[in-house]
Amino acid sequence: QSVLTQPPSASGTPGQRVTISCSGSSSNIGTNTVNWYQQLPGMAPKLLIYKNNQRPSGVPDRFSGSKSGTSASLAISGLQSDDEADYYCAAWDNSLNAPWVFGGGTKLTVL
Amino acid sequence: QVQLVQSGAEVKKPGASVKVSCKTSGYTFIAYYIHWVRQAPGQGLEWMGWINPNTGATNYAQKFQGRVTMTRDMSITTAYMEVTRLTSDDTAVFFCARDEGGRGIDYWGQGTLVTVSS
Repeated sequence: QSVLTQPPSASGTPGQRVTISCSGSSSNIGTNTVNWYQQLPGMAPKLLIYKNNQRPSGVPDRFSGSKSGTSASLAISGLQSDDEADYYCAAWDNSLNAPWVFGGGTKLTVL
Repeated sequence: QVQLVQSGAEVKKPGASVKVSCKTSGYTFIAYYIHWVRQAPGQGLEWMGWINPNTGATNYAQKFQGRVTMTRDMSITTAYMEVTRLTSDDTAVFFCARDEGGRGIDYWGQGTLVTVSS
């Protein structure tokens, strides 16, 4: 049972825009920033978005993040087959003895 | 460039211990916390704890307290994580990851598969 809640799956066709949601609480997303990670099959996670909506260098601007209240979203526009992966949200949590909490992950399928 | 290179896969029997290493390079080792994250087969990411490489201070998730020990060797810019009293539920890939502070966890090691089987 993950602290942050994500839909288990999402899908889209090439060129489409998809969004993935991440729901938390006042102790994590409500007061701290959100990161998003992309994990390709058999690989380590890769930082996609930090501080809610900032992209590290090298991450295409097709990826964008937003946050409102205790929820966050990752949007991927111009969907490509290479985007097929698992996506995780993460945030600091002030209340638990587990400062970093993750979502359960969303498997994105490009149809 | 920032790199975290972990030790190779391990196979252990129930009740044994495993120690995974994470060799870092490309940045100032003592300036960034190292986190350890577990991923069971087909499952999500689970935070285990962090170590401050500068002071050696640690913070473990409650679930792993008493069974996990994180250490570091500053002379070779390497972090370690040891898990004791392994069970089949510990079969997982273990990742080390750097915490940049402002950006949070940014760079990850490639992962180390630990298989616990009798």
